[in-house]
Amino acid sequence: DIVMTQSPDSLAVSLGERATINCKSSQNILYSSNNKNYLAWYQQKPGQSPKLIISWASIRDSGVPDRFSGSGSGTDFTLTISSLQAEDVAVYYCQQYFSTPQTFGQGTKVEIK
Amino acid sequence: EVQLVESGGGLVKPGGSLRLSCAASGVTFTNAWMSWVRQAPGKGLEWVGRVKSEADGGTTDYAAPVKGRFTVSRDDSKNTLYLQMDSLGTEDTAVYFCTTEHSIGFDHWGQGTLVTVSS
Repeated sequence: DIVMTQSPDSLAVSLGERATINCKSSQNILYSSNNKNYLAWYQQKPGQSPKLIISWASIRDSGVPDRFSGSGSGTDFTLTISSLQAEDVAVYYCQQYFSTPQTFGQGTKVEIK
Repeated sequence: EVQLVESGGGLVKPGGSLRLSCAASGVTFTNAWMSWVRQAPGKGLEWVGRVKSEADGGTTDYAAPVKGRFTVSRDDSKNTLYLQMDSLGTEDTAVYFCTTEHSIGFDHWGQGTLVTVSS
């Protein structure tokens, strides 16, 4: 199974500041035939279901604010919130869908400083 | 608008069984791959299992911790996904989410249903 490891486990950022979450996969999740990274990011607000915010490592889902961006390739990925808003307080998970079983990172809790 | 509504959760004793359902609307269910993902209290997300569309063979896949104990099935005539859980242990206590699974990941989620395994 591919192991996904996120860092940090939690971070506190001031409103308007940048938040950066890292995700590392134990195997390459870049499919060479289509040059796509099979990596998604989810946001889970308190008491809610997870919500897909980024797929293919860098493609925002419909309606996701452009302050959210994803980057990286191969085994190392990053989710960046460029200017943290109060409504961004949540736990964020990366997930690989390159192979079954699909696996998630342990989650990163983002709070307001 | 896609809606996934889970039901069937509750309290069950260790060794017992439970069947969860997920009613789907706003999605072409027959074409959808469907998965179950669970979240133990205060913990992260864990994929449980999936069923592919009939057009893609209708086959199932399972995570190692549940293989042989859980069964994912679908009834396309009712737009409903099921999770039959047998030989339940305390480690299966979690909120169980129904999700649609596409090439981009798990793009729609239900609100979840809580399963508590306790004596």
